[in-house]
Amino acid sequence: AQTVTQSQPEMSVQEAETVTLSCTYDTSESDYYLFWYKQPPSRQMILVIRQEAYKQQNATENRFSVNFQKAAKSFSLKISDSQLGDAAMYFCAYRSNYQLIWGAGTKLIIKP
Amino acid sequence: KAGVTQTPRYLIKTRGQQVTLSCSPISGHRSVSWYQQTPGQGLQFLFEYFSETQRNKGNFPGRFSGRQFSNSRSEMNVSTLELGDSALYLCASSPNGQGWADTQYFGPGTRLTVL
Repeated sequence: AQTVTQSQPEMSVQEAETVTLSCTYDTSESDYYLFWYKQPPSRQMILVIRQEAYKQQNATENRFSVNFQKAAKSFSLKISDSQLGDAAMYFCAYRSNYQLIWGAGTKLIIKP
Repeated sequence: KAGVTQTPRYLIKTRGQQVTLSCSPISGHRSVSWYQQTPGQGLQFLFEYFSETQRNKGNFPGRFSGRQFSNSRSEMNVSTLELGDSALYLCASSPNGQGWADTQYFGPGTRLTVL
């Protein structure tokens, strides 16, 4: 069975600096998608970025980028130029068999 | 394009009652999934529907059920409510419902409180 692990319950970063959130997963599948979602205090789950496992190139969306290491089963999220609006819970998720398997989440605090 | 909508947004029920939550997917999306989010258990998959058929179900008791209509709207029902059913229930839709190559977009959730 697939599992997703986020080992950092909470991270903090100074506004305008860069922070990296960690995620590891376990799977025996060769083709899959990985996602990062953010959940601000409003509770709406918002897609941040997604990575297709068969693509070696790391995905990038503006200030958000991933470091995808397929062999190591690692999928970290880098947020550059952190902004106050980035404060939220960040969840890493693995797409499998019509469902998302979630990590426990990392609470990101932005210090002004 | 309008996003995923869920109604109601907040609900308070008492133990033993039943509840029905509704989800309208993004126009054109045919797959709808439901998740339960609690502080203790995190995010857990309930079930997924595509073209009115349940294709996958999580590890929840039979008190949790769902259905999908021909217009892709979905409902989930919880019967004989227990205190532990208090949670945020999230609905997500995706375009094609492909098993591994589909992005899910979420609604704002329904906050259920069981007293």
